[in-house]
Amino acid sequence: EAGVVQSPRYKIIEKKQPVAFWCNPISGHNTLYWYLQNLGQGPELLIRYENEEAVDDSQLPKDRFSAERLKGVDSTLKIQPAELGDSAVYLCASSLDPGGYNEQFFGPGTRLTVL
Amino acid sequence: AQRVTQPEKLLSVFKGAPVELKCNYSYSGSPELFWYVQYSRQRLQLLLRHISRESIKGFTADLNKGETSFHLKKPFAQEEDSAMYYCALRARGSQGNLIFGKGTKLSVKP
Repeated sequence: EAGVVQSPRYKIIEKKQPVAFWCNPISGHNTLYWYLQNLGQGPELLIRYENEEAVDDSQLPKDRFSAERLKGVDSTLKIQPAELGDSAVYLCASSLDPGGYNEQFFGPGTRLTVL
Repeated sequence: AQRVTQPEKLLSVFKGAPVELKCNYSYSGSPELFWYVQYSRQRLQLLLRHISRESIKGFTADLNKGETSFHLKKPFAQEEDSAMYYCALRARGSQGNLIFGKGTKLSVKP
């Protein structure tokens, strides 16, 4: 089992450019999370999906960030246009279901550098 | 507001010494508390949760509701324990959203 897969692992772009991150959760996991981790900070939730529905996107900056989870499996997080302050690690996680005792499994993250 | 505080950015101990990583939380309801660990070049993973009341890799953590704390302890630190440790909170009955502290880097010296 590969676990949660994310790509790319690293991305360097210039400000104002668009960027997209991809996540493939563990097979059978209905819930998918995108977290943002700034340097020296803990992960912060951006958006949570239950199957294909975004059930909590209250922390997603919707002016420039968007996400989708077509068919309730893979997910893509997009930033357009990127700003210098978006430089961070973007983590994807998945769990069987959102609550109860279900553990969240994290991917390796995508480290974004905006120049 | 829900908040998790880890007061130490870095904790350095010698091998064999006891270690305690502090975690305090702010939440008016009944929380679920977790410790996550990230070893060098590895992904973030669950270490233990207070509900399970288990010991993982020699680590234990007790939820103290009076002091709103969930400190992580190990009586004898090992070099392989060196990692980033994150305390996290989930509101009981919520739909999975974790709130993380800023993390503590544990360095165990030989």
